[in-house]
Amino acid sequence: KQEVTQIPAALSVPEGENLVLNCSFTDSAIYNLQWFRQDPGKGLTSLLLIQSSQREQTSGRLNASLDKSSGRSTLYIAASQPGDSATYLCAVGANQAGTALIFGKGTTLSVSS
Amino acid sequence: DAGVIQSPRHEVTEMGQEVTLRCKPISGHDYLFWYRQTMMRGLELLIYFNNNVPIDDSGMPEDRFSAKMPNASFSTLKIQPSEPRDSAVYFCASSLHVNYGYTFGSGTRLTVV
Repeated sequence: KQEVTQIPAALSVPEGENLVLNCSFTDSAIYNLQWFRQDPGKGLTSLLLIQSSQREQTSGRLNASLDKSSGRSTLYIAASQPGDSATYLCAVGANQAGTALIFGKGTTLSVSS
Repeated sequence: DAGVIQSPRHEVTEMGQEVTLRCKPISGHDYLFWYRQTMMRGLELLIYFNNNVPIDDSGMPEDRFSAKMPNASFSTLKIQPSEPRDSAVYFCASSLHVNYGYTFGSGTRLTVV
């Protein structure tokens, strides 16, 4: 059974710092990996999608990498801002047909000004 | 499109009462998912539908939980009888694909006292 783990559970950084969030998964036979953002009291918003054949995806100050063989992904946030404060969740799409996304518990990021 | 609409936003009920959560997916989306989020267990899949048919209900905790999708524009998640351990945020999401492109609703925060 696929399990997704995110470390650390919480992270506090000063504004302007570059940071890395980590995600690991137990079964490397994945279809894709996605990073979501969740603001307090809100639903999840998709940030980046990496297909299993890709190594990384970039969107603005965000860069996500994928190493399928080692079961790891990282989300790199450059020049962090207070507006980046949120919970970031990693989700894995399985290679098997008919399997919904499996989520990690998330990393709660706080960026102080 | 107004996105995925969930109601109510907040629900407080007494143990033993019946609770019904509602979801209106994005028009044209073939998939509808119900997830539950708690601090301890993170975001867990309860059930998902494809073209109004339940495909995977392995995450439904027990017989107290039931979900229906009578048509393409409406789904319900019912808990009867409710228990304090059911307290969580319940999210509905819809998509064109089973493992990417999810749009989440804002969730229903359920408190059972």
